[in-house]
Amino acid sequence: SAVISQKPSRDICQRGTSLTIQCQVDSQVTMMFWYRQQPGQSLTLIATANQGSEATYESGFVIDKFPISRPNLTFSTLTVSNMSPEDSSIYLCSAGLVAVTNYGYTFGSGTRLTVV
Amino acid sequence: AQKVTQAQTEISVVEKEDVTLDCVYETRDTTYYLFWYKQPPSGELVFLIRRNSFDEQNEISGRYSWNFQKSTSSFNFTITASQVVDSAVYFCALKQGYGGATNKLIFGTGTLLAVQP
Repeated sequence: SAVISQKPSRDICQRGTSLTIQCQVDSQVTMMFWYRQQPGQSLTLIATANQGSEATYESGFVIDKFPISRPNLTFSTLTVSNMSPEDSSIYLCSAGLVAVTNYGYTFGSGTRLTVV
Repeated sequence: AQKVTQAQTEISVVEKEDVTLDCVYETRDTTYYLFWYKQPPSGELVFLIRRNSFDEQNEISGRYSWNFQKSTSSFNFTITASQVVDSAVYFCALKQGYGGATNKLIFGTGTLLAVQP
């Protein structure tokens, strides 16, 4: 299965600033996703990062707030823009591998973001 | 609609006890995939198992076992002889069908398992 390197692992940011999170996969993958996990909550999908085109956002998430790039099949970034304390969460990158009869999803170690 | 329900928010057991984590799912697809992930306090998600909808065989891996029952739309996870290192949040997840918008995982709310020494 793919191995994902996600960084930074944690950060403390001032409100109103932006943070870019990077996700590097050790092999080409079909799909990449970004999730948010608020304290004590489950994972919520922010968007699917599409290689070479605009990301596909889930309801409640917009590109201006969470711009995503995916320039190739192994790398993606998520930016959390104009941050407020409500953005304090763990952000996780995920890579999906698709085979004819099977699917596998690997997750990065997450970025713990605290906005003060 | 597709949904994953983990009714147990928190479970506390004493080491060496067996524990079962429940997962009930809803989907209209005949082809789907079910997953279990472990999230220890460090935060990363660790893949435990994937099960295809057309394979109802139960699976055992060491102290872990999974019971997939399509008739009740359940995919329960049992840890035998629990250990302190099993303490984590466990998530059940569902992926529908093939391709396109169905590629995303839908997660349950998770069950926090605390194993006391």
